[in-house]
Amino acid sequence: NAGVTQTPKFQVLKTGQSMTLQCAQDMNHEYMSWYRQDPGMGLRLIHYSVGAGITDQGEVPNGYNVSRSTTEDFPLRLLSAAPSQTSVYFCASSYGHSNTEAFFGQGTRLTVV
Amino acid sequence: GESVGLHLPTLSVQEGDNSIINCAYSNSASDYFIWYKQESGKGPQFIIDIRSNMDKRQGQRVTVLLNKTVKHLSLQIAATQPGDSAVYFCDIVTGNQFYFGTGTSLTVIP
Repeated sequence: NAGVTQTPKFQVLKTGQSMTLQCAQDMNHEYMSWYRQDPGMGLRLIHYSVGAGITDQGEVPNGYNVSRSTTEDFPLRLLSAAPSQTSVYFCASSYGHSNTEAFFGQGTRLTVV
Repeated sequence: GESVGLHLPTLSVQEGDNSIINCAYSNSASDYFIWYKQESGKGPQFIIDIRSNMDKRQGQRVTVLLNKTVKHLSLQIAATQPGDSAVYFCDIVTGNQFYFGTGTSLTVIP
């Protein structure tokens, strides 16, 4: 009963490096999303997808890219990491876009030095 | 845009007491409300939800109250236990937009 799986759990990057945060769900959910969580700011939506082949920007999309080639996977790419991207990142999935509860992964703690 | 807040960033309660966590919102068109619990080092986990056509919903030891007149949402936890220590978030959904509050950190004192 895996649910939403995120990898890696921890990552340290140097400024300017690129990397991909992986997210996979096994619940056949159409809707997937990425959030970042910073102290005192709650969860902020980065990008989301309402189905395979469809992605859209959330509240804070700059510096991040996503793709959705399959229903199961929704990777988040940092093209050129900046210290401002130091955060905890959560992937979530749900049956619907906004009318059902979301299932979250365990998070990826990213530090950019 | 939506303004979502919580009345208290931290809350401490004695084990066995009831806890009340609050959330205010600004958009009267908001139609779906969810409470999540986030334990340290983990992702948020669904607790309970309520739709705008209701004003109260009960789960196991938890009750959510919705007052649409004053745009206020609360989560009540009965007989609070040490395992309830966590950060609690409200998620306010308006159409296809959703907003998370900043969270209330609940500490249960044994």
